[in-house]
Amino acid sequence: GAGVSQTPSNKVTEKGKYVELRCDPISGHTALYWYRQSLGQGPEFLIYFQGTGAADDSGLPNDRFFAVRPEGSVSTLKIQRTERGDSAVYLCASSPGLAGDTQYFGPGTRLTVL
Amino acid sequence: AQSVTQLDSQVPVFEEAPVELRCNYSSSVSVYLFWYVQYPNQGLQLLLKYLSGSTLVESINGFEAEFNKSQTSFHLRKPSVHISDTAEYFCAVIGGGTYKYIFGTGTRLKVLA
Repeated sequence: GAGVSQTPSNKVTEKGKYVELRCDPISGHTALYWYRQSLGQGPEFLIYFQGTGAADDSGLPNDRFFAVRPEGSVSTLKIQRTERGDSAVYLCASSPGLAGDTQYFGPGTRLTVL
Repeated sequence: AQSVTQLDSQVPVFEEAPVELRCNYSSSVSVYLFWYVQYPNQGLQLLLKYLSGSTLVESINGFEAEFNKSQTSFHLRKPSVHISDTAEYFCAVIGGGTYKYIFGTGTRLKVLA
């Protein structure tokens, strides 16, 4: 079946602009995660959804970052007033829903802020 | 709060030699432990995981890891590596009833012919 997909694969924007990154999880997966991966680092947890609600958003770095999952499937990560330090690969993962379930990762969106 | 340490950023090893990739974690509560692998130009995928039960867990391609609670370690081993094992390997932990995965910084395994 289809895996996790993320669009766009690459996004180049200018400092101060607004961006939206989309994640389509595996059908039926109730848990959805967003991570940020900078060069030479491991994935850094941003936010976790269980269904439509953000169960843990403690990893969002500041209030410029926001994520939604209105129907419990597709999720959008929104970044306002982008800064050069936001440049990274943004990863999405989904899992069936229980702690310890395997996470299935998407290919990521490479965000570059000029 | 949990944390994960992967001390080796790069590990070069010759084909058919054994390898160990080290992972240490810190947590004051019971944990679940994972190894994820990222092959060149591919996304992250699960290699193996420890949830409970036997402390030795194995993957389908010959890797194994042992959960050692006293040493707070979850080292990954393979007795004989192949060129195709060249990849970046990430150790991760969750615990304390949370779903917040903490990843290490990764170890780049390069298998040499």
